[in-house]
Amino acid sequence: TQLLEQSPQFLSIQEGENLTVYCNSSSVFSSLQWYRQEPGEGPVLLVTVVTGGEVKKLKRLTFQFGDARKDSSLHITAAQPGDTGLYLCAGSNYGGSQGNLIFGKGTKLSVKP
Amino acid sequence: KAGVTQTPRYLIKTRGQQVTLSCSPISGHRSVSWYQQTPGQGLQFLFEYFSETQRNKGNFPGRFSGRQFSNSRSEMNVSTLELGDSALYLCASSLGGTSGIDEQFFGPGTRLTVL
Repeated sequence: TQLLEQSPQFLSIQEGENLTVYCNSSSVFSSLQWYRQEPGEGPVLLVTVVTGGEVKKLKRLTFQFGDARKDSSLHITAAQPGDTGLYLCAGSNYGGSQGNLIFGKGTKLSVKP
Repeated sequence: KAGVTQTPRYLIKTRGQQVTLSCSPISGHRSVSWYQQTPGQGLQFLFEYFSETQRNKGNFPGRFSGRQFSNSRSEMNVSTLELGDSALYLCASSLGGTSGIDEQFFGPGTRLTVL
């Protein structure tokens, strides 16, 4: 059974601080996606990483896929209250049925003004 | 382009009843996946439909079922509801490729409460 472990589970920081969220597995994934979810809403796709070692930037967010495609990280620079939410990583695999994304349990981020 | 829509947004049922949830995917998307989200277990995969066929299934009891129509709209049904079925039910649509990089886009979810 493939699992994705996210850490930390909860994170409460002040506006302007930097933070990193980790997503780890013992399994290899063909791609990994990061989502942000706000209360009562569905997850919103932030980025998809595909190549081992890949780094993608989205404004103040930096996403990295591990060389072995088993882990990923999300770094936020100068966090703002609007970054508050549940951050989820999800992995998918090659071939066969594609619909099954394996999700981590998420990191609940709170950014205080 | 319209996003994924789900109806109803909120639902209250009692134990033993059954419920049907609906999902309309993004235009052009042929795959619809359903997930259950609870505080304790997080997001868990229920099943995926592609071109009206169930292509993949998670580890849920047979009380959970689904179907997909020719226009790619999908429904999921839960029979004989239990208290533990209270959750946010999310559907996600995608193009349905098998390359391993098929991005899924989620609807807002249906919040089901079982009393």
